[in-house]
Amino acid sequence: NAGVTQTPKFQVLKTGQSMTLQCAQDMNHNSMYWYRQDPGMGLRLIYYSASEGTTDKGEVPNGYNVSRLNKREFSLRLESAAPSQTSVYFCASSELIATDTQYFGPGTRLTVL
Amino acid sequence: KQEVTQIPAALSVPEGENLVLNCSFTDSAIYNLQWFRQDPGKGLTSLLLIQSSQREQTSGRLNASLDKSSGRSTLYIAASQPGDSATYLCAVSGNTPLVFGKGTRLSVIA
Repeated sequence: NAGVTQTPKFQVLKTGQSMTLQCAQDMNHNSMYWYRQDPGMGLRLIYYSASEGTTDKGEVPNGYNVSRLNKREFSLRLESAAPSQTSVYFCASSELIATDTQYFGPGTRLTVL
Repeated sequence: KQEVTQIPAALSVPEGENLVLNCSFTDSAIYNLQWFRQDPGKGLTSLLLIQSSQREQTSGRLNASLDKSSGRSTLYIAASQPGDSATYLCAVSGNTPLVFGKGTRLSVIA
């Protein structure tokens, strides 16, 4: 039972390159989330998926797209990376949105040069 | 817009002390409040979840209280240990998923 897994753990991109961050959970949770964590800014919600087939914007969605591939997987795509997207990205999941404990993955540390 | 504030930003205490971490939020229309722990370079681990109808939750040496009407929560850690050193974050859920505070960085000195 791995919980929430994220790949890759580390990534360095050049400005303008694209990439997809992968997230999977094995807890049969309905809801999944993407956050970014920056020094002095705390954790901020990028996108979330309340259930399979739905996605919604969070606080900082600009420059990102998401796909809820199935109930287990929720990916985050950067189409044209910018230095401002240098951050640590966390995926999380919960049984139900807003009412249940969220379980977090180990994070992806992304640097955009 | 919900805002969550945690005071102090950093705290250093000798081993064995009891301590209190504070969290305040601006919109009292919440579903629940959660406390998390984050070790350096790691993800977040949930410590306690208090539903909006509850006043407190306990787990081992940790006790979290919630006063929804005043927009405040406290995390009480009894008999602190060096292994408690970490950043502690509180987060509230309401009309949107979790809104986080910036955390309190705790150092427990042996």
